[in-house]
Amino acid sequence: DTGVSQDPRHKITKRGQNVTFRCDPISEHNRLYWYRQTLGQGPEFLTYFQNEAQLEKSRLLSDRFSAERPKGSFSTLEIQRTEQGDSAMYLCASSSRQGEDNEQFFGPGTRLTVL
Amino acid sequence: AQSVTQLGSHVSVSEGALVLLRCNYSSSVPPYLFWYVQYPNQGLQLLLKYTSAATLVKGINGFEAEFKKSETSFHLTKPSAHMSDAAEYFCAVRKPFGNEKLTFGTGTRLTIIP
Repeated sequence: DTGVSQDPRHKITKRGQNVTFRCDPISEHNRLYWYRQTLGQGPEFLTYFQNEAQLEKSRLLSDRFSAERPKGSFSTLEIQRTEQGDSAMYLCASSSRQGEDNEQFFGPGTRLTVL
Repeated sequence: AQSVTQLGSHVSVSEGALVLLRCNYSSSVPPYLFWYVQYPNQGLQLLLKYTSAATLVKGINGFEAEFKKSETSFHLTKPSAHMSDAAEYFCAVRKPFGNEKLTFGTGTRLTIIP
C-alpha cells in the first residue's frame, strides 16, 4: 500500500496561466475527494468522485476549475486563468468503504503559488 | 449543515504536561467526528474517530477524545505531551451517510515547550 500520491508537490505560476494537478489514490479505492487548504484555515471540500462519476461539487469550485477521474483511478484538477486567490494547498484523499468505516487517506498535497 | 469550532488557534504546553485541544460541533443529524494531525509539508493523518459507538475514543500516539452530546463537544486530550506531538490538529465532522465529505475546523497549532 503506497498511499495517496500527488504531483507536483509545488507549483509556482503567473496569474492567468492554467495549471493541472494529479492525484493517484490508494489502489482500488473507489472514492476520491479534493480539498483546498488556505493559510491558517482547515481544508475545505471541493469535489467528490465515486469511481469515474463526479457526484458533488462545492460552490467553491468556480467554472475555472474542472476535475476528472476518467477511468476511476487517478484524478486531475485543472485551474484555468489562475488568480492570486487560488494560491493554496490542494489536498486529495481516497477511501474504499462507506459508513462508519469510511476513512479518508490524504496525500501530501500540491502547494500552488500564483504570482 | 455541519460545522466545527476549534477554540484556540495556538496552544503551548510543557513537555510531560496534559494536552487539551477543544472542539465544538454543530450538526443537524447525529454526527461522525474526527481528529486529524498535520505535520509540516505533509498531508493529514487520522488520529481517532467517533462513529456513534463508545463515547470515549482512543486513538494513536496516546490521544483520546470524548463525545459529549449535551455539550456538543469532542475535545482531544493526551495525559503527557511529547516533543513529537508538535503539529497542527484539525477537528472534523461529517454526516453518517451521503458523500461523506469532511467539514474541518480552522485548526490548532500545538507547541511543546522543552
